[in-house]
Amino acid sequence: EVQLVQSGAEVKKPGESLKISCKGSGYNFTNYWIGWVRQMPGKGLEWMGIINPGDSVTTYRPSFQGQVTISADKSINTAYLQWSRLNASGTALFYCARHVNFPCIGGSCDAFDIWGQGTLVTVSS
Amino acid sequence: DIQMTQSPSSLSASVGGRVTITCRASQGISTYLNWYQQKPGKAPKLLIYAASSLQSGVPSRFSGSGSGKDFTLTITSLQPEDSATYYCQQSYSIFWTFGQGTKVEIK
Repeated sequence: EVQLVQSGAEVKKPGESLKISCKGSGYNFTNYWIGWVRQMPGKGLEWMGIINPGDSVTTYRPSFQGQVTISADKSINTAYLQWSRLNASGTALFYCARHVNFPCIGGSCDAFDIWGQGTLVTVSS
Repeated sequence: DIQMTQSPSSLSASVGGRVTITCRASQGISTYLNWYQQKPGKAPKLLIYAASSLQSGVPSRFSGSGSGKDFTLTITSLQPEDSATYYCQQSYSIFWTFGQGTKVEIK
């Protein structure tokens, strides 16, 4: 079964560091980019950035650039999202998702076809 | 960023009924448009990719259409398990953006 399994919920204080993980199984992990998506309480979905696990090339949405770091360890089929200093307003649910390319008119249509179960990060003093 | 605007924000429909959700992009995105379903406490699930292609395993009562700026997700023969929030998402630009979501409730 193709799946992404994320690490468990975290409770942190403002200013603390954190690294959450996303482990892929059931497919060749290095063949698909992994993206991270934020969902703040009661809100919609925000694309944060993406990584190629094969060579660790990353792209960040400008609003997240410098705020988080996306990395991957292909030897253990795992992608990571980390913060060096969490903000007090940082409470959110974070999803990793597999980026897939579908053939379509005009070339390649991309989507997230497999999602992790989500990691809730609670930031509170 | 390309802005994605969904309407309505919420709706209520009866079992067996038909639901239409629209999504408008702030600029033309060809058919680089996906639809996801999210149930409470669950991760989003891909329903439609490339505006009108049904993802494997998704019931055929779900369909998508549109190109350019205007897109539609239609659910026919609404089922109780279709109660969820639906999001459109563009993959035209390098920075993907989602609509704000449409909550579908079953009467």
